[in-house]
Amino acid sequence: GAGVSQSPSNKVTEKGKDVELRCDPISGHTALYWYRQSLGQGLEFLIYFQGNSAPDKSGLPSDRFSAERTGGSVSTLTIQRTQQEDSAVYLCASSSLGHTDTQYFGPGTRLTVL
Amino acid sequence: EDKVVQSPLSLVVHEGDTVTLNCSYEVTNFRSLLWYKQEKKAPTFLFMLTSSGIEKKSGRLSSILDNKELFSILNITATQTGDSAVYLCAVSPGTYKYIFGTGTRLKVLA
Repeated sequence: GAGVSQSPSNKVTEKGKDVELRCDPISGHTALYWYRQSLGQGLEFLIYFQGNSAPDKSGLPSDRFSAERTGGSVSTLTIQRTQQEDSAVYLCASSSLGHTDTQYFGPGTRLTVL
Repeated sequence: EDKVVQSPLSLVVHEGDTVTLNCSYEVTNFRSLLWYKQEKKAPTFLFMLTSSGIEKKSGRLSSILDNKELFSILNITATQTGDSAVYLCAVSPGTYKYIFGTGTRLKVLA
């Protein structure tokens, strides 16, 4: 089937507004990752979901960031009260066996906070 | 602290040249090292390396791991303009987390 999809592809928002970013992983993939990539930087781990286990939220930079994964499939990353430093590309990836397999990335959402 | 360092940060070559990209790492409980190519947004998988000294090859690209000296190299021979991209290295320290380097930006001129 299709690869990992993300929406929107681009999001421009005003400082202080909330945003929701969506990720549809590859069907059947049990592991889902969110990363953030700031300009000229590598990928920064944000959060990891594996099946029905409690997610690893250790990479979330502040309590303004949260993520959910409903039904073990679609995931939503929410950023509340956005700040200019939140501007980045947010990438989602999924894999079939978690850390024992390779990750397949979505096209990302470019977030710009004015 | 676990870290992954890539070099050079950027590279400009002409078509037909051969390039070697480096990735060095310091992690506890090394599990695997991955190479990705990132052209626009989504990184695309190139290689996964787990065993030292075994070369992985795909067309003009090849990669090898040295887990004694803690580095990997990615070679691209007979470069083409389509090879222009950021090449990312990621290392798994024995968990599901991957630590990414900042990447090497390669530009191939016609």
